[in-house]
Amino acid sequence: GQSLEQPSEVTAVEGAIVQINCTYQTSGFYGLSWYQQHDGGAPTFLSYNALDGLEETGRFSSFLSRSDSYGYLLLQELQMKDSASYFCAVRAEDDKIIFGKGTRLHILP
Amino acid sequence: NAGVTQTPKFRVLKTGQSMTLLCAQDMNHEYMYWYRQDPGMGLRLIHYSVGEGTTAKGEVPDGYNVSRLKKQNFLLGLESAAPSQTSVYFCASSLPDVQDTQYFGPGTRLTVL
Repeated sequence: GQSLEQPSEVTAVEGAIVQINCTYQTSGFYGLSWYQQHDGGAPTFLSYNALDGLEETGRFSSFLSRSDSYGYLLLQELQMKDSASYFCAVRAEDDKIIFGKGTRLHILP
Repeated sequence: NAGVTQTPKFRVLKTGQSMTLLCAQDMNHEYMYWYRQDPGMGLRLIHYSVGEGTTAKGEVPDGYNVSRLKKQNFLLGLESAAPSQTSVYFCASSLPDVQDTQYFGPGTRLTVL
């Protein structure tokens, strides 16, 4: 079967750094994406990794290790507005996108 | 640009009723998708389309039908609604060479009694 595993919840303090991990087991692999979703809102695209390494976009960075079937999203200088759910997603066989169940990020003042 | 829009935003159905959810995008995207999201779950792909006149099954297609008669519109139909189809439905679109970057609509919250 195809599966993505990520922690269900993570708590961090405002101004700190937090890492959200994602491990995947899929048939075929083209790349790993990350999406953010605020309560009651729609998912919005954050980042994409097709090759091993780190991609940086402002306060957010995403990492991929294809050999370990593992990636993570790194959020720096946390702000209260970063409180949301974060989903990893893999484009697998037949070009279908498979989403993880999401990690709810709680930020404490 | 409106991006991706969905109609309606909310709907309550009785078991056995039918309805159609409409998705429209003004970004000239080739690919369009329908997902459902249940509490504590990620997004699960119902059906998708890689171009006008084409559709394909996703992960959870049973009980749903779709049509893509125009490039900008993607319709999701429920012929005989069941309580198990109570969910939030999201439509998304993307360009064909950047499928991993999907643009989502605001969602339709459907309750089947």
